[in-house]
Amino acid sequence: KAGVTQTPRYLIKTRGQQVTLSCSPISGHRSVSWYQQTPGQGLQFLFEYFSETQRNKGNFPGRFSGRQFSNSRSEMNVSTLELGDSALYLCASSFGTGGTYEQYFGPGTRLTVT
Amino acid sequence: DAKTTQPNSMESNEEEPVHLPCNHSTISGTDYIHWYRQLPSQGPEYVIHGLTSNVNNRMASLAIAEDRKSSTLILHRATLRDAAVYYCILRGPVRIQGAQKLVFGQGTRLTINP
Repeated sequence: KAGVTQTPRYLIKTRGQQVTLSCSPISGHRSVSWYQQTPGQGLQFLFEYFSETQRNKGNFPGRFSGRQFSNSRSEMNVSTLELGDSALYLCASSFGTGGTYEQYFGPGTRLTVT
Repeated sequence: DAKTTQPNSMESNEEEPVHLPCNHSTISGTDYIHWYRQLPSQGPEYVIHGLTSNVNNRMASLAIAEDRKSSTLILHRATLRDAAVYYCILRGPVRIQGAQKLVFGQGTRLTINP
């Protein structure tokens, strides 16, 4: 069974631009979560989608948004990029949402904002 | 929001058991305790999770205190491949309304000496 895939793997953007990252979950998984990882703040939860609905949301500004499609694939968008948005963005999928289910992480998208 | 506290780093020797502690004094009755680990340059990897009873799988064991305010991840026989950052996370039930924030601690960096 294929794992979680994220595209692109690496991305360089300029301040003020916007970016869209993509995540394809494991087949059959309906929950997709997004995380931001930086050396200073560690792993921070962005949001979680289940059956195209946002179920959980972390403490990030409205510039960070996401969506999930009917095939469970998910995208996250960051508008008006800031230097501090440089990070590894990780996507994780699980069969369901909530504590019962384990999450499987993708390799991440490394975003650099210059 | 439920928070976990872990030691910043731990060191052990190859082929010896390792006990990684996690404090979660604000855990609620419906929060699951999840452990993930992150090897260098990789996304986090699921290790184990539990609710009240101790859990075992092929990777590790999870010992949960009776009051559930702390837990310990046990690697029975550490190998060099177990060197990673280990995260203890609380994951609650689904909420139809309102946001549930998933909080990651800084994790414990485990070093294994040959």
